[in-house]
Parts: sequence; structure tokens; C-alpha cells
Amino acid sequence: DTGVSQDPRHKITKRGQNVTFRCDPISEHNRLYWYRQTLGQGPEFLTYFQNEAQLEKSRLLSDRFSAERPKGSFSTLEIQRTEQGDSAMYLCASSKYRDRGYNEQFFGPGTRLTVL
Amino acid sequence: TQLLEQSPQFLSIQEGENLTVYCNSSSVFSSLQWYRQEPGEGPVLLVTVVTGGEVKKLKRLTFQFGDARKDSSLHITAAQPGDTGLYLCAGYISGTYKYIFGTGTRLKVLA
Repeated sequence: DTGVSQDPRHKITKRGQNVTFRCDPISEHNRLYWYRQTLGQGPEFLTYFQNEAQLEKSRLLSDRFSAERPKGSFSTLEIQRTEQGDSAMYLCASSKYRDRGYNEQFFGPGTRLTVL
Repeated sequence: TQLLEQSPQFLSIQEGENLTVYCNSSSVFSSLQWYRQEPGEGPVLLVTVVTGGEVKKLKRLTFQFGDARKDSSLHITAAQPGDTGLYLCAGYISGTYKYIFGTGTRLKVLA
């Protein structure tokens, strides 16, 4: 297992364009998270999937943002009509639920979005 | 509101010095993770602590989980330039999906 992967690693787009990011979690991890991180800050929670169900969305996630995890494996995060304020690192993480003990979250390398 | 406060926010030290980073909360966590993140990369998991009072060592890094599982510390002995990075703690709330992240400690070790 090679860990969580994200694609692309970098994306530069013009304001108003749509962008889509992909995340492939660690196999057999049923939980998948999207976070946004700005320079020097900790990750901010965006949304959470358990298998294919999206169970929680942050208020940070405006209606321009949508996420899917169609078969409970990979996930996509789409941003429509991008704004300069969307520029950030978008991180994906996955974990396998355990009812006790180690509930470890593993992160991908992130997608750095720059909106011009 | 569940918060996890880290201190200090910034730390710049000389190679060979020791340092401690603290992570404090009023919430009880069933486990707590420490990550290190380098610029342009995702956070990399260093350790998970689960039991109150637990101490784990990873080479020159010593991690401790508070007895009440509300706080944790990371101690680095004889810091090296390769230790430079953003250190994040994240607490897991039992029975939920939630990980509460600390505010981060940016460490710079000067050669």
C-alpha cells in the first residue's frame, strides 16, 4: 500500500474557472476527509465521508464546493467559479474506524491551488 | 467549542538545543496524533498515543499523553536542522469521526 495519493499536486487556474481534485485513500479505509490549509495554519475541516456517504460538511464549504465518493473508494472535490480566496492547500486524509484505541488519520501530499 | 491549543506558535533554536511543544485542551481524547509537515507537503504522522500517561519515544523525540488524556507534549532532544517544520497535534473524539487539530508549532533549527 502506497498511502493516500492526490492528483494533481499543483493547480493554477484563473478566477471563475472550475477545478476538480482527486483523492485515492489507503485501501480498506472507510473514512475519508477533505481539509483546507492556508500558509502556517493547521488544517481546517471541509467534509467527511464514511464509505460513500457524505456525513458532514463544514460551514466553510460554500455551495461552490462539492465532494463525492461514488463507490466508497476514491473521492473528488470540485470547486466551481473559483475565487482568489480559494487559493490554499487542499488535503485529503483517510482512516479506518476502530471502536477503541488507534484511530489514525493519514494524509495525502495535498493539492496546491492558486487562483489568479 | 472544542479547541486544541499548541504552544509555542513559533520556535527558532540552535542545533543541539532541546525543546518542548505543548498541546492542551479541555476535551478528552481517545487518542492523539502528532504530525510533522514540511512546506508544500501533507502532514506526516509521527506517533499516536492512546493511554493516559503514555510515553512514546521515536529516536530523539519523546511524546507524552496526559493522565486525563486532555493534553500532550513533544520533547525533542539535541535538535537538528532536519527537525525543521510545522508540528501539529490532533485529538480524536471517541464515538465520532472528528479530529480536532492544534494551531501548529513552526520550528526552525539553525545550523
